[in-house]
Amino acid sequence: AQSVTQLDSQVPVFEEAPVELRCNYSSSVSVYLFWYVQYPNQGLQLLLKYLSGSTLVKGINGFEAEFNKSQTSFHLRKPSVHISDTAEYFCAVSGPYNDYKLSFGAGTTVTVRA
Amino acid sequence: GAVVSQHPSRVICKSGTSVKIECRSLDFQATTMFWYRQFPKKSLMLMATSNEGSKATYEQGVEKDKFLINHASLTLSTLTVTSAHPEDSSFYICSASGRELSYNEQFFGPGTRLTVL
Repeated sequence: AQSVTQLDSQVPVFEEAPVELRCNYSSSVSVYLFWYVQYPNQGLQLLLKYLSGSTLVKGINGFEAEFNKSQTSFHLRKPSVHISDTAEYFCAVSGPYNDYKLSFGAGTTVTVRA
Repeated sequence: GAVVSQHPSRVICKSGTSVKIECRSLDFQATTMFWYRQFPKKSLMLMATSNEGSKATYEQGVEKDKFLINHASLTLSTLTVTSAHPEDSSFYICSASGRELSYNEQFFGPGTRLTVL
């Protein structure tokens, strides 16, 4: 079975400051990793994904994440946040042994203040 | 590309009535659709997976007679909440994936807010 732990439930941050959202996963097999963003009362939008290859993945809106197999982590970073980055962020894992179903973390609420 | 729509975006119904939610893939063939439920301030819980033309596969603890899923075509899946009760109030989100897309990636609809009075 695969599972995801998002270590921070809430992250307040000032505008133009950097932010890191932590995500750890557990799996005994190869996994695919994703970060999604959800704005209030909306569905999920994919920020970035890791399937294979380079462990540093760049996504939309200036976000990037690094896959670390030895630490089973996939932390999300942005060097300078905007007010518009205020949202809920979900880390998710899937893989070929569970029919590609997504298992989501509990989510991290990012609140950007001026 | 890869747009998924849901209808309605919001629905309020009386207890005991049934509500149908539609999920459509607008520009690709969705061989697989997923239905999720999200409680306030909580993560997404997978309810069921449906493949076009097949019966849906429900996750443990999800009542299949309560949440009827139909995936009759490659662009449409429906979720019907039968005899809805206030505890069924939630945000329901669908997602879709297709063979023509990379890796079985899921694309999410905007969600449907169900309120049962």
